[in-house]
Amino acid sequence: AQSVTQPDARVTVSEGASLQLRCKYSYSATPYLFWYVQYPRQGLQLLLKYYSGDPVVQGVNSFEAEFSKSNSSFHLQKASVHWSDSAVYFCALSRPGSFNKLTFGAGTRLAVCP
Amino acid sequence: EAAVTQSPRNKVAVTGGKVTLSCNQTNNHNNMYWYRQDTGHGLRLIHYSYGAGSTEKGDIPDGYKASRPSQENFSLILELATPSQTSVYFCASGDVGASAETLYFGSGTRLTVL
Repeated sequence: AQSVTQPDARVTVSEGASLQLRCKYSYSATPYLFWYVQYPRQGLQLLLKYYSGDPVVQGVNSFEAEFSKSNSSFHLQKASVHWSDSAVYFCALSRPGSFNKLTFGAGTRLAVCP
Repeated sequence: EAAVTQSPRNKVAVTGGKVTLSCNQTNNHNNMYWYRQDTGHGLRLIHYSYGAGSTEKGDIPDGYKASRPSQENFSLILELATPSQTSVYFCASGDVGASAETLYFGSGTRLTVL
């Protein structure tokens, strides 16, 4: 069985600071990996995804993530955060061949302080 | 633009009552999904569908039924609601046969079972 762990339930950073949200996964092969963001009172929206090739993937709004097979990780990064980035971020994986049945982490709530 | 609409937005039900949550998508996607979101658990898959007339059990199907009468509509049914089913429910649609494709989520239904 596969699983996703987001070790930080809450992260607080100052506006303009850099950001890393951590994601570790457990799966016997290389999964497909995703980061979704949930703004208040909204559904989830895709930030970026990895399924093959370059381990560094670029997403919307200047987010990027790096896939590491050796560390079983897919950490999300941003060079300079804005107050509007305050939201809940979910890491998720799917097994190749399982269509879009995603396994989600518990989420990390990001607060950006002015 | 891809659109997934859920109704109602909020619902209060009594224990033992029947609850139906509705979802409509205009994406013409074959796959549709029902997730519930609980603090500390992220999103967990309840039921999903590959197309009109099909429903499949997800990871936590007990106490729930699903119905897919058409390509556009996917309902989640709680025949005998219990307080443990108090949660936020999300519907999503996605492309068939494309494991790394994006899921499009609705804005969620907040269900409280008293």
